[in-house]
Amino acid sequence: EDQVTQSPEALRLQEGESSSLNCSYTVSGLRGLFWYRQDPGKGPEFLFTLYSAGEEKEKERLKATLTKKESFLHITAPKPEDSATYLCAVHFTGGGNKLTFGTGTQLKVEL
Amino acid sequence: EAGVTQFPSHSVIEKGQTVTLRCDPISGHDNLYWYRRVMGKEIKFLLHFVKESKQDESGMPNNRFLAERTGGTYSTLKVQPAELEDSGVYFCASSQDRSRLYNSPLHFGNGTRLTVT
Repeated sequence: EDQVTQSPEALRLQEGESSSLNCSYTVSGLRGLFWYRQDPGKGPEFLFTLYSAGEEKEKERLKATLTKKESFLHITAPKPEDSATYLCAVHFTGGGNKLTFGTGTQLKVEL
Repeated sequence: EAGVTQFPSHSVIEKGQTVTLRCDPISGHDNLYWYRRVMGKEIKFLLHFVKESKQDESGMPNNRFLAERTGGTYSTLKVQPAELEDSGVYFCASSQDRSRLYNSPLHFGNGTRLTVT
């Protein structure tokens, strides 16, 4: 069965303390892996798409990487405004045009 | 560019009642999706429209849910009659290019929080 698992469920960091979030997937034929950010009361906001193992994308303090089994979202020197839930989703062969989401990692960055 | 708009933002209804959720996609986006997040679970796909046609409704839970997109613009999702397990946040999303989902990521609305008591 196609699955997306994110870890940890929740993460507390001090401002400036870098860390990584994990998204592991077991799908038959990955077509794309997406990272989204979600703030409370809002819808998911698109961050990155990764297509193939070895690919990396960066945006400000965020960097996403992809292997054949997992993706990491690295957060370098985070700030309080980076606090949000980070969602991983995959688009896979045979899955039509839908995304399969993980349950997310709730990130809290404190001063 | 206006984003995806959903109405209402919150709805509280009693079991057995009917509720209709509305979604206005980004102008020019042919693809419209409905997703749902129930408490403690991941966001799950419900269905996909291309213009006014249902492309994939494999995620619809049962026949109490009816989605429409007349004229290929806004969409409605009706739940009739509502049950307790229908509570959750219903998200609508739109995108431009169906054939290349990975090149045309989904833009989500802020969701409708549905509570069935």
